[in-house]
Amino acid sequence: DIVMTQTPLSLSVTPGQPASISCKSSQSPLHTNGRTYLYWYLQKPGQPPQLLIFEVSNRFSGVPERFSGSGSGTDFTLKISRVEAEDVGVYYCLQSTQLPTFGQGTRLDIK
Amino acid sequence: QVQLQESGPGLVKPSATLSLTCSVSGGSFSGHFWTWIRQPPGKGLEWIAHIHSTGSTAYNPSLQSRVTISLDMSKSQFSLKLTSMTAADTAVYYCARTWDYWGQGIRVTVSS
Repeated sequence: DIVMTQTPLSLSVTPGQPASISCKSSQSPLHTNGRTYLYWYLQKPGQPPQLLIFEVSNRFSGVPERFSGSGSGTDFTLKISRVEAEDVGVYYCLQSTQLPTFGQGTRLDIK
Repeated sequence: QVQLQESGPGLVKPSATLSLTCSVSGGSFSGHFWTWIRQPPGKGLEWIAHIHSTGSTAYNPSLQSRVTISLDMSKSQFSLKLTSMTAADTAVYYCARTWDYWGQGIRVTVSS
């Protein structure tokens, strides 16, 4: 199994400031077809996870431009350029190149 | 807009079998993978199984001996069966179109 490790596990951010979450995989999620099936989700309180980023760096429909994803190999990052109050929740990374595995989650709250 | 809705019992007795159904609307069923995920109270997400519209399946090895996923394309539904339920299976169960659209989830409690 590919193990996904997120850091930090929690962060507190002042509105308008940037935030960054790291996700490291125990093996590269690069598929033999050349695509990397690495996703980022936000789970707001009491809601299902919502897709933010697919295949490392592609914003899903309707996702604000302040969210961006990057990375390669075994190191991936989700960045929020300017945190807003509505960004509160738990962020998860996911790989589905092999049998799907999620990171343990990073809780973001507002200072 | 693709919409998914889970249905099934909210309470299951220990050792019983859980049966859940996910109804899909607003999009094509064909050509996609369909997935079940669960989230124990206060914990993270765990992938359970997925099925392609062609019928091919994959299971989480930790649950494989107890899980069956199936689909009914005529009804735009797919289903999950989980046998020998224990308290450790208490969770919110989500269905999703791999990996973009998710249902709201159904809370399942295992208790006598």
